[in-house]
Amino acid sequence: DAGITQSPRHKVTETGTPVTLRCHQTENHRYMYWYRQDPGHGLRLIHYSYGVKDTDKGEVSDGYSVSRSKTEDFLLTLESATSSQTSVYFCAISESGGASNYGYTFGSGTRLTVV
Amino acid sequence: GIQVEQSPPDLILQEGANSTLRCNFSDSVNNLQWFHQNPWGQLINLFYIPSGTKQNGRLSATTVATERYSLLYISSSQTTDSGVYFCAVDLNSNSGYALNFGKGTSLLVTP
Repeated sequence: DAGITQSPRHKVTETGTPVTLRCHQTENHRYMYWYRQDPGHGLRLIHYSYGVKDTDKGEVSDGYSVSRSKTEDFLLTLESATSSQTSVYFCAISESGGASNYGYTFGSGTRLTVV
Repeated sequence: GIQVEQSPPDLILQEGANSTLRCNFSDSVNNLQWFHQNPWGQLINLFYIPSGTKQNGRLSATTVATERYSLLYISSSQTTDSGVYFCAVDLNSNSGYALNFGKGTSLLVTP
């Protein structure tokens, strides 16, 4: 399996609390992504990173922030969790932005429930 | 951004049957990938195929870039093929860095 791990795997949190999800890779890939998956919506991009300290917003970035201080770690933070952020969150990595035969490799996901 | 539409949304097959899944996209793409999400939620990359044809065992894919569609063929389906199949393309025409996913085709293969 590719070296990508997400933590925690499951989390229940209360509305209004901050939450940080971690994505860790051992592949030294340049590109990292955070997606959320909700019924009826497929996967939607939250934020992505194309290098250390280089990040950009995706289509559903409101309420989320990210940080990448090291190549191997990409953190997703919900500043003040809301029930609409209950979802399954996937991290993905790519060596060359996906524009190659290497494609994307996904982590196993984090199931977040905001109560 | 580039829009992605997949069809059919749901598909039920008997083991051994063949199927074709379709992905239409709204603009020219530099990147198109097919993924399979198994019933346990794991996402696996099947093909990187912005154009042309590729085959991997019982699966093959064809992208006709000039007509803006891609097809995923599953032959002699098995119960382990069940899950959701996603097509994904460049998020927008200016960036090949991130992918925009379609809503998927949910496939159930029955014994």
